[in-house]
This record gives sequence, C-alpha cells and structure tokens, in this order.
Amino acid sequence: NAGVTQTPKFRVLKTGQSMTLLCAQDMNHEYMYWYRQDPGMGLRLIHYSVGEGTTAKGEVPDGYNVSRLKKQNFLLGLESAAPSQTSVYFCASSYLYRLQAGSYNEQFFGPGTRLTVL
Amino acid sequence: AQTVTQSQPEMSVQEAETVTLSCTYDTSESDYYLFWYKQPPSRQMILVIRQEAYKQQNATENRFSVNFQKAAKSFSLKISDSQLGDAAMYFCAYGVLIMNDMRFGAGTRLTVKP
Repeated sequence: NAGVTQTPKFRVLKTGQSMTLLCAQDMNHEYMYWYRQDPGMGLRLIHYSVGEGTTAKGEVPDGYNVSRLKKQNFLLGLESAAPSQTSVYFCASSYLYRLQAGSYNEQFFGPGTRLTVL
Repeated sequence: AQTVTQSQPEMSVQEAETVTLSCTYDTSESDYYLFWYKQPPSRQMILVIRQEAYKQQNATENRFSVNFQKAAKSFSLKISDSQLGDAAMYFCAYGVLIMNDMRFGAGTRLTVKP
C-alpha cells in the first residue's frame, strides 16, 4: 500500500498561472481533504469530499477548486495563482470506523507539496 | 467557530525526562475528537494520539498520554522518557466526526537535548 500520495512534491509558478495538484489514495477511503500549511500556523482546511462526485468548502476555499471524479483521487486546482497561495499543501484521506462503543475517523496524510508563487 | 490554541511556541526537554505540551480549544459541540500530531523535519504529519470527547478515560499510547479536561476545554500531551526522535513540531487538533471542520493549533516546537 502506498497510502496517500501527492503529485508534484515541489512546484514554482508565476502569478496568474494555473496548476492542478493530484492526491491519490489506495485505501478505499470515503473522505478526502485538502489543507494548506503556512509558517507559524497549523493546517487549514481548504476543501473536502465525503464521497465520489461530492465536494464542499472548508475554512479557506477562496481561489481554489476541487474535483473528485474517482473515489481514489482528489484534485486541487488553482486557476490563477497568487503569491498569497505560496504554501505547503497537504492531502488527507480517512475512513469512518463504526464500533460498538462509538465511531471515529482517522486521517492519513500525504507527504505535502511545496508551492511557491512568484 | 471552533479554535485551538497552543500557548507554547517552543519547548525543550532533556533526554529521558518528561515534558507536557498544552492545548486549549473552544467549541459548542458536545461530541468531537481531539488529536495530537507530530511533524518532523520530513514534513510528514504523524498521528500521535486521539481522544474521543465522549470518553472520560484519558488516552495513552506507549510513552504518550493526554490529560483531557472537558469542562475546562483543555487537552495536554505528556511525553515520558523523551527520546531524541521525539524532536518535532507538535500540533493539537480538533474535529467532528467527518472532520469537515478540522482545526489545528499553531504548533509547539519540541527540542530534545542529549
């Protein structure tokens, strides 16, 4: 199992350029998430998906779009990159475990993509 | 909105000693989850420990344990017998069941001195 993989690992863009970050998971997880991490801050949720074909906004969605056409893939798009989008982007996937005592949801993170927008 | 606060930007501990990292959170939910994640220089986010709010018993994972005070909205991490490999950024996080409102603290950088 590769777990959660992200492509690319690094990228430099010029202001106004577009790009797509790819997240793939091989654990058959229902839920997938995109986060960004800025210096001195924890991760912030950009968008998430609770299943194939569905997406929803997180805490900081502006300037980003996402798609989940296949269960195993979650794409994050930047249509017109801005310097404020310079960040490290993390993808995560999770599965809802239902137990007798209750449910829990554990996220598995990808290695991150460092994006610089000049 | 839910917030997570880590008041210690940096902490230091001597190898083999014990250190406690602090976290407080704010929520109006009654059912939620709390996490401590470790982020070494490799950048990989590693789950250290998880606590379900409906459980009164504090979670433990080997050398890692938490002190969960639901009424005070406090969730501290204790690392016993600290090892050099424990050096990392530690993030406290809060989430509800489907994690669609996951919130992270700003992190605490832990240094372990030999």
